[in-house]
Amino acid sequence: DTAVSQTPKYLVTQMGNDKSIKCEQNLGHDTMYWYKQDSKKFLKIMFSYNNKELIINETVPNRFSPKSPDKAHLNLHINSLELGDSAVYFCASSPGTPNTEAFFGQGTRLTVV
Amino acid sequence: KQEVTQIPAALSVPEGENLVLNCSFTDSAIYNLQWFRQDPGKGLTSLLLIQSSQREQTSGRLNASLDKSSGRSTLYIAASQPGDSATYLCAVRRFADSNYQLIWGAGTKLIIKP
Repeated sequence: DTAVSQTPKYLVTQMGNDKSIKCEQNLGHDTMYWYKQDSKKFLKIMFSYNNKELIINETVPNRFSPKSPDKAHLNLHINSLELGDSAVYFCASSPGTPNTEAFFGQGTRLTVV
Repeated sequence: KQEVTQIPAALSVPEGENLVLNCSFTDSAIYNLQWFRQDPGKGLTSLLLIQSSQREQTSGRLNASLDKSSGRSTLYIAASQPGDSATYLCAVRRFADSNYQLIWGAGTKLIIKP
């Protein structure tokens, strides 16, 4: 069983569209994250949810909105997609305590054309 | 501000060699440090997690060390194999702005030549 799963794996869409990326974890973790990997391979945190509460919201455009229907899911919704949104997006989860591993999904490669 | 640097950015070695990847961080106030592997087109796989109180962790041919005082960690890979080819990332966990955060290095792209 996949611990952290993201769908879709690949997403190609036109500028201006609205799209969502789904993430589910079956590890019972309290915290889930969304990261964006840029062209230089840096991973930048976008959002973090802990027990349905947004606890980190980095300076990302408000076109990006995380939605967490329950503790096991953290979906990323993107409005009015732009060319610069093209990247690989990673979902991750970890227990609430800091001294534990973070587990990552396989990533979603978003291409905006 | 915590910054994580990985050197070298890329490394190519013949199969069978032992090698060391370096990770440095500027703020020693960390909870732990984690090494990941990323294969092209795939997600991140956790390799080793070192708590701030530990000096090293071992898993198979991998050995990771941590020197908090000097802000350094190394990932040692013994008897490298072509299957070890991947990008290796280190990340430190800290507490800042009332949250736990993972701060990442840019990664080292490793190529093992058969």
